[in-house]
Amino acid sequence: GAGVSQSPSNKVTEKGKDVELRCDPISGHTALYWYRQSLGQGLEFLIYFQGNSAPDKSGLPSDRFSAERTGGSVSTLTIQRTQQEDSAVYLCASSANRGDTEAFFGQGTRLTVV
Amino acid sequence: AQTVTQSQPEMSVQEAETVTLSCTYDTSESDYYLFWYKQPPSRQMILVIRQEAYKQQNATENRFSVNFQKAAKSFSLKISDSQLGDAAMYFCAYRTTSGTYKYIFGTGTRLKVLA
Repeated sequence: GAGVSQSPSNKVTEKGKDVELRCDPISGHTALYWYRQSLGQGLEFLIYFQGNSAPDKSGLPSDRFSAERTGGSVSTLTIQRTQQEDSAVYLCASSANRGDTEAFFGQGTRLTVV
Repeated sequence: AQTVTQSQPEMSVQEAETVTLSCTYDTSESDYYLFWYKQPPSRQMILVIRQEAYKQQNATENRFSVNFQKAAKSFSLKISDSQLGDAAMYFCAYRTTSGTYKYIFGTGTRLKVLA
């Protein structure tokens, strides 16, 4: 695709429900990153994929968070049993390969847990 | 672990004037990359400028330039001839050249441009 696409753009969910956030990276990009941006905060690293494997999951805040990537393309971030503190913008980025210096970002998914 | 600090939560500049955004970082590595990203209200992160640590020459991109002081671990962004469209959040970021290549971001500086 022309850019990194994320869906949905906005998501409101009830506390305790599960949510799935989707990221479509730029075609051919092998590296994919998920970040979380809470109100007034910087970007917090969650997980990094190289192809379908995730060599760095160190930023996932709890076992309620998981992510997968299939076919070296689309990635899904799943949050189980959502809590109010999960409310944030979730940003996805991709780069052509792990050594490439420029990451291209999507517009993010704003998650609101009520 | 590497850290990135932006000590200015908010800055204002008059249209056509020059403004400098500050960024400091901490690392024990000798080779790395530094970036400034812009985030307008659309939430889309846009790369403004990048600097390779091994290059002594400061990077420039049109009205945007950096002052990279490796020994001081400082990486400031200068915006010349500020325009209304420059109003946004600006994030400084660090990226290693090995390992998982993840980006480490500062907390951002909100830039307001006054007409």
